[in-house]
Amino acid sequence: EPEVTQTPSHQVTQMGQEVILRCVPISNHLYFYWYRQILGQKVEFLVSFYNNEISEKSEIFDDQFSVERPDGSNFTLKIRSTKLEDSAMYFCASRESPGGGSYEQYFGPGTRLTVT
Amino acid sequence: RKEVEQDPGPFNVPEGATVAFNCTYSNSASQSFFWYRQDCRKEPKLLMSVYSSGNEDGRFTAQLNRASQYISLLIRDSKLSDSATYLCVVRDSSYKLIFGSGTRLLVRP
Repeated sequence: EPEVTQTPSHQVTQMGQEVILRCVPISNHLYFYWYRQILGQKVEFLVSFYNNEISEKSEIFDDQFSVERPDGSNFTLKIRSTKLEDSAMYFCASRESPGGGSYEQYFGPGTRLTVT
Repeated sequence: RKEVEQDPGPFNVPEGATVAFNCTYSNSASQSFFWYRQDCRKEPKLLMSVYSSGNEDGRFTAQLNRASQYISLLIRDSKLSDSATYLCVVRDSSYKLIFGSGTRLLVRP
């Protein structure tokens, strides 16, 4: 069964450093998402991406964040200068084309980001 | 008011019990409704979509009341493996998912 993959599974970084979280969505999907979950809190939407551009972003997704689809398979989230409060689980999700009947978003296993 | 509100629990029930979770949402324009299951430190996984007519999948029954903006999940004959956090999730008109904080279920032997 096709699945969304994410690397690394755990990233430890120092405050102020740049990190790139990587995702490989399901191959025929066209809509991509990043969500985050701070420990003990709810899952929160960060950004959606379609046709090589951001469709929507939340208030959390400020200028420190950026997303990119550098090639036909990867979807990345970059945090330019990490803060302690960026420590969280980051989930990538993908969804198939708008013509598909399913709105289901398939989630990757997540990357645990720890900022020290 | 929170966009999606759930009782955090935990619900601690014996195996075989029936347990019900409730959820309310604030945006009447919400398009689709789901229950996800999340195990500790894992990704959310879709348990079932929720339809206006109500729907059942084995031991799980979901109901939606659009007028009251209320969603429910009923689990019958609880198994130990049902222990998890159950997330009420709403999709808005832009297709992003809005999650509740989750209700934790512990099923004991």
